[in-house]
Amino acid sequence: GAVVSQHPSWVICKSGTSVKIECRSLDFQATTMFWYRQFPKQSLMLMATSNEGSKATYEQGVEKDKFLINHASLTLSTLTVTSAHPEDSSFYICRGGASSTDTQYFGPGTRLTVL
Amino acid sequence: GQNIDQPTEMTATEGAIVQINCTYQTSGFNGLFWYQQHAGEAPTFLSYNVLDGLEEKGRFSSFLSRSKGYSYLLLKELQMKDSASYLCAVRGPKKPLVFGKGTRLSVIA
Repeated sequence: GAVVSQHPSWVICKSGTSVKIECRSLDFQATTMFWYRQFPKQSLMLMATSNEGSKATYEQGVEKDKFLINHASLTLSTLTVTSAHPEDSSFYICRGGASSTDTQYFGPGTRLTVL
Repeated sequence: GQNIDQPTEMTATEGAIVQINCTYQTSGFNGLFWYQQHAGEAPTFLSYNVLDGLEEKGRFSSFLSRSKGYSYLLLKELQMKDSASYLCAVRGPKKPLVFGKGTRLSVIA
């Protein structure tokens, strides 16, 4: 089946720094990449949808200047958390989609801890 | 808008059968997904229903009734490793998946 990798799997950073998370589709072309955030014991919350070669669409309440998304190729999308604060500590997960593929596999997730 | 409801927690005994329900209200419908998520890990795909009826896949089965806005995930011959959160997700037309809050299933001996 389709495989999506995500890097790093976990990261600890100081408040005010920026963190980049990479999501790669390994055996298919991800025309669309979805970025989610999940707080402990909470559901997945969609942050933004990115389409290759175009600007990402952000969900209401998500600051696009703080969460920078780049989807420059069909196999790579990145999420950069700028000027991270402790409240940004969360589990960030990407999900790759290829046209109308139904299964839509998730990346393994990135645990971000901001001190 | 979209609203998805599922029970917060359930407990079942090893070897038993458990049914996790999901009700949804959406403006348009284009499929319902069930995912399993172990603590600290990403969700893994379990099933997809777009037509009414039962889809069986090994120990797991998923049912859908579009007219009732209702689905359930049935887990048979429960094993300890089935302890996890089970997420119901609905896709509307031209919209990404919307997830329910998940049901935390605890399997006890």
